[in-house]
Amino acid sequence: DIQMTQSPPSLSASVGDTVTITCRASQAINIYLAWYQQKPGKAPKSLIYDASTLQSGVPSRFSGSGSGTDFTLTISSLQPEDSATYFCQQYTLHPLNFGGGTSVELK
Amino acid sequence: EVQLLESGGGLVQPGGSLRLSCAASGFTFNAYAMNWVRQAPGKGLQWVAGTTIDGGGLQYAVSVRGRFTISRDTSKSTLFLEMKSLRADDTAVYYCTRALVGYNGCFDSWGPGTLVTVSS
Repeated sequence: DIQMTQSPPSLSASVGDTVTITCRASQAINIYLAWYQQKPGKAPKSLIYDASTLQSGVPSRFSGSGSGTDFTLTISSLQPEDSATYFCQQYTLHPLNFGGGTSVELK
Repeated sequence: EVQLLESGGGLVQPGGSLRLSCAASGFTFNAYAMNWVRQAPGKGLQWVAGTTIDGGGLQYAVSVRGRFTISRDTSKSTLFLEMKSLRADDTAVYYCTRALVGYNGCFDSWGPGTLVTVSS
């Protein structure tokens, strides 16, 4: 199985800050990585697939990068509505494992 | 508008069974792979099972293999998850997900989820 490790588990930042979340795969997954945003009590929402391709309708302040084993999700100019938990997920091989999540809190 | 709506969750005793359904609308159901993902209370996301476009290519998480069965009815645009021998650690919100077109395991749409509670 491919294990996905996210860091940090949580962070606190101010409106306007740039936030970076990292995701590391236990083996190379090419670019087959997705990012999701989940707000309390809601279903996850797809943000990015193929490591860097934004889903339709996702604000351009979200960006993704990486390939192989190391990936990042960057939120530029953090907004209040970005307070949420973010998950990465690999889809190279089954089982389709998710990272443990990163909780982003606004100061 | 793409819509996925799960149903069938509830309280069940350990060892019991449940059948979840996911009614899909707003897209051509038989053109997309479909999956179930679950989330235990206060925990992260866990992929459970998936089916390819033609209903074959069935894949399961190790923890549910042999107990859960995923299937789809194209005529009704509905995805199912038959769950047997349920355990306390199956307690979770179960989400129906649609895979991005041309992909099997990258999810672009999610239902609101249905809660399954396994407890005596």
